[in-house]
Amino acid sequence: GAGVSQTPSNKVTEKGKYVELRCDPISGHTALYWYRQSLGQGPEFLIYFQGTGAADDSGLPNDRFFAVRPEGSVSTLKIQRTERGDSAVYLCASSPRDGTYEQYFGPGTRLTVT
Amino acid sequence: DQQVKQNSPSLSVQEGRISILNCDYTNSMFDYFLWYKKYPAEGPTFLISISSIKDKNEDGRFTVFLNKSAKHLSLHIVPSQPGDSAVYFCAASAPFGGNEKLTFGTGTRLTIIP
Repeated sequence: GAGVSQTPSNKVTEKGKYVELRCDPISGHTALYWYRQSLGQGPEFLIYFQGTGAADDSGLPNDRFFAVRPEGSVSTLKIQRTERGDSAVYLCASSPRDGTYEQYFGPGTRLTVT
Repeated sequence: DQQVKQNSPSLSVQEGRISILNCDYTNSMFDYFLWYKKYPAEGPTFLISISSIKDKNEDGRFTVFLNKSAKHLSLHIVPSQPGDSAVYFCAASAPFGGNEKLTFGTGTRLTIIP
């Protein structure tokens, strides 16, 4: 079956611009996670959705970052007034929450802020 | 502070021999541990996991060992194959306490020498 997909695969934007990153989770997975991976680091948690609601947004670095999941499937991560420090690979993962705890990752969106 | 640590940034192993990757954690609330494998330009792929109620879990060539008292886990790959060359991430979560977000280590780059 289809895995987690993310679009775009690459995004280059100028400092100060607004960007949207999209995630399509595996069909039927109720839990959705966003992570950010900087060079030489492991992925870092940003936000977790259970259904339509953000169950844990403690990883969002500041109020320039926002995410939505209006219908409980596709999610969009929104970054306002981008800064060069926002450059990273943004990863999305989903899980079925069926008693297993593995998360299945998409290929990521590489964001470069110039 | 780094709650999940992988102190070896890289490891080289001869094909056919055993690869041992190590991981330490500091947060005693973690009760579920996972290993992910990552190829360049792809998202992390789930390999194997272990619950804190176990000390060993085996799946084919992959075995994970957990030493709770030492807050240490390791991944054994035997025999190692060229396709195992990748970056391996250790991750931890506290799902039994209701917190399923993953905390990752910084990764170990494994190179299998033919």
